[in-house]
Amino acid sequence: EAGVVQSPRYKIIEKKQPVAFWCNPISGHNTLYWYRQNLGQGPELLIRYENEEAVDDSQLPKDRFSAERLKGVDSTLKIQPAELGDSAVYLCASSLEPTTYEQYFGPGTRLTVT
Amino acid sequence: SQQGEEDPQALSIQEGENATMNCSYKTSINNLQWYRQNSGRGLVHLILIRSNEREKHSGRLRVTLDTSKKSSSLLITASRAADTASYFCATAGAAGNKLTFGGGTRVLVKP
Repeated sequence: EAGVVQSPRYKIIEKKQPVAFWCNPISGHNTLYWYRQNLGQGPELLIRYENEEAVDDSQLPKDRFSAERLKGVDSTLKIQPAELGDSAVYLCASSLEPTTYEQYFGPGTRLTVT
Repeated sequence: SQQGEEDPQALSIQEGENATMNCSYKTSINNLQWYRQNSGRGLVHLILIRSNEREKHSGRLRVTLDTSKKSSSLLITASRAADTASYFCATAGAAGNKLTFGGGTRVLVKP
C-alpha cells in the first residue's frame, strides 16, 4: 500500500513569491491534515479536511494561506505571498477517520524562504 | 499552542539501555498517541492509548497513561542505534476531533 505522497520535497523561494504544496493521501482515507513543523518543535495543525470539507481551519493564516481538496482526494496548500517566517516543514497526513485513529504522515516539504 | 510537553527535551543513552520519556498535558483527552520522527522524515505512529486504558505494550515499547495526573510515559527497552529519533506525544481532545503535538524528546542511542 502506497503511503502519503507529497511534492515537492524541498522548495527554496524568495520572500513575496507564491508557493504551492501537493499531497496525495492514502487511498480510502477520508480525513486529510496539513501541519506546519518549525525547527525543533512538534507539528501544528493548519487545516483538517473531512472529504472535501474543511472542518477545522482555525489555525490557518487566511490572509496568505489557502488550501483546497477537490473531489475529496488530493489536496493543495498555497502560500501567497511567502514571508521569511514561513520557512518550515509542511507535513500532510491522512487517516481513516478523525483523530481517534492513527494518522499517517507524508515525508513533508521543507520550505526555505530567503 | 502545544498541549503536550515532553520531558526530557533530549536524552542520550548507550545501546541496550532503556529510554524513558514523559508527556504532560492540560485538558481532558480521548486518547494519547506517540509518534517517532527520524531526521528529515515524516512522523510514524507508534502506539495509541485510550483515556480508559492505563498501560499498553507494543514490542519493545511500553506506554502508561495517568489521567488523574494528566501524564503519560513511553519506555523503549533494550534500545538500538536505529531508535535514534525524535519522539512526540500527541493528544486527541475529548471530542476526538483534533490532535495536538508536544515539542518532542530527541533521543540519541550510541552504539
